[in-house]
Amino acid sequence: GQNIDQPTEMTATEGAIVQINCTYQTSGFNGLFWYQQHAGEAPTFLSYNVLDGLEEKCRFSSFLSRSKGYSYLLLKELQMKDSASYLCAVISNDYKLSFGAGTTVTVRA
Amino acid sequence: GAVVSQHPSWVICKSGTSVKIECRSLDFQATTMFWYRQFPKQSLMLMATSNEGSKATYEQGVEKDKFLINHASLTLSTLTVTSAHPEDSSFYICSARGTVDYEQYFGPGTRLTVT
Repeated sequence: GQNIDQPTEMTATEGAIVQINCTYQTSGFNGLFWYQQHAGEAPTFLSYNVLDGLEEKCRFSSFLSRSKGYSYLLLKELQMKDSASYLCAVISNDYKLSFGAGTTVTVRA
Repeated sequence: GAVVSQHPSWVICKSGTSVKIECRSLDFQATTMFWYRQFPKQSLMLMATSNEGSKATYEQGVEKDKFLINHASLTLSTLTVTSAHPEDSSFYICSARGTVDYEQYFGPGTRLTVT
């Protein structure tokens, strides 16, 4: 089975940095995704990590440590539009995605 | 590229009726499509996996006779909620996987409300 944990909520101010942690215990691992989801909308792809290390894309970075079963998503220079739910998801050998419960990030002015 | 559409985007139906939701990959061939359900303030839960031309594989606890899935072509999968009840009200999201990599491309979702 899959067990994926991430914090429920985080709050930060505009322009700040927020780090969302995700720990996982899974049977079979073929990578970890981070998605952003606004209320009432489908998830949108942010990042994919399959090897250890940091992947950087503009204001978003994602880190993976397979030995520790740990990942984080780093959001820099926060903007109001970044207020959303952020989903950590692990893909297994049969291509199934298992999602964490999501972290709701609220950005305040 | 890699666009997935869903139709309808929202539907309201009466208890006991059936509702069909379509999921289409518009610019690629989807060997595998996935159907998810999401209740308010909860994460996506995988309901079933469908491969073109074969029977869908359902996750534990999902009734295959209630949630009928047909993956008729490499660009279309349908989910039919039969004899819908208010507790079936949810946000249904499909995703499609191509042949190249692990990424799944999500449709915009269908909001089902059963009254």
